[in-house]
Amino acid sequence: DTAVSQTPKYLVTQMGNDKSIKCEQNLGHDTMYWYKQDSKKFLKIMFSYNNKELIINETVPNRFSPKSPDKAHLNLHINSLELGDSAVYFCASSLRTSGGGGTQYFGPGTRLTVL
Amino acid sequence: GEDVEQSLFLSVREGDSSVINCTYTDSSSTYLYWYKQEPGAGLQLLTYIFSNMDMKQDQRLTVLLNKKDKHLSLRIADTQTGDSAIYFCAESKTKAAGNKLTFGGGTRVLVKP
Repeated sequence: DTAVSQTPKYLVTQMGNDKSIKCEQNLGHDTMYWYKQDSKKFLKIMFSYNNKELIINETVPNRFSPKSPDKAHLNLHINSLELGDSAVYFCASSLRTSGGGGTQYFGPGTRLTVL
Repeated sequence: GEDVEQSLFLSVREGDSSVINCTYTDSSSTYLYWYKQEPGAGLQLLTYIFSNMDMKQDQRLTVLLNKKDKHLSLRIADTQTGDSAIYFCAESKTKAAGNKLTFGGGTRVLVKP
């Protein structure tokens, strides 16, 4: 019954480590997104993939690398984690990138804490 | 520019109506959305409106859009304690912009019994 799922839900790690967050959607959507929510609840887009092709790449450090093995999956790999990377990361998906099909559905979020 | 603003906080009594306001600056916005976030949870899509509409009603929710003033509002009728949450408005642009959502800072709604 799950629409957009993310693993893990919580991730606690040390500075300098490399970690990955996984996202899967079973909605048959073509487009997937990663957003970051900071401690003040502000949400900002990071990346978007349409049919496994990168279409949005906001000003994000190149330590962050998204990977889309297929349309249903968009993973986020983060190298050399820094304290400022602590946030909640949300995955989302939409049927298309325009019109009513552009409506985005969000996953439950992954709370990353860097110590 | 891309700027979406909301008031930070709204307190309302159970049974009353809540009105959450949002302003945006980019007139090329095509769709405008309202999402709800409960503590520790993800974003739940509540409703959305296309930019050529003035109003949309969905059960207890009414969305009003004033495109001239770039003002969006969400009215929740008969507010319940379960409506306590953070409400985000967001705008999306055309396909050319990759359909990214630009969010407001969120309005924290507290419903008092």
